[in-house]
Amino acid sequence: GNSVTQMEGPVTLSEEAFLTINCTYTATGYPSLFWYVQYPGEGLQLLLKATKADDKGSNKGFEATYRKETTSFHLEKGSVQVSDSAVYFCALNTGGTSYGKLTFGQGTILTVHP
Amino acid sequence: DTGVSQDPRHKITKRGQNVTFRCDPISEHNRLYWYRQTLGQGPEFLTYFQNEAQLEKSRLLSDRFSAERPKGSFSTLEIQRTEQGDSAMYLCASSSYRTPNYGYTFGSGTRLTVV
Repeated sequence: GNSVTQMEGPVTLSEEAFLTINCTYTATGYPSLFWYVQYPGEGLQLLLKATKADDKGSNKGFEATYRKETTSFHLEKGSVQVSDSAVYFCALNTGGTSYGKLTFGQGTILTVHP
Repeated sequence: DTGVSQDPRHKITKRGQNVTFRCDPISEHNRLYWYRQTLGQGPEFLTYFQNEAQLEKSRLLSDRFSAERPKGSFSTLEIQRTEQGDSAMYLCASSSYRTPNYGYTFGSGTRLTVV
């Protein structure tokens, strides 16, 4: 079956530090890969996505590259801000465009201090 | 449209009681999903609908759980004879084949506490 493994958290950084959150996956077929973010008291929001190997998703300064050879989709940001403090979830689906269930990792709590 | 709405936001119930949650998806979305999220874990898929048809159910969805989407609009998730292990955040999401590039929209969830 499908599964997603994220690096253990929580992650605590100072403002302007470099961020990496590791994500690896196991999937049948050719999954699409996502990063979702959950701010306190809010619903999950799509941060970025990639639909095929070597695609790079990017949004709000965050980036992740779909690496089929290493089955990874690591999230990076060059300079984090306090407002980036949230829970980050790596996810995949194999159901096609906007369809099918998402399989999530366990989430990584990010706290950024001024 | 204000997005995906879930009601109630919080529910505290005694073990053995029945509870029902409601989800109102984005109106033009034909697919609706239910997930369960326990503390420190990512959301786990429970079930999903295309219009009013329930297309898939997870083995996590025991016989005590039932979900409906009677007219292809809002959906309800009922848990009968609640157990303490049912305590979790229940998330609803919707999507549409017209939504470009994997647009799932999530609600803020219903937090259930079984005491």
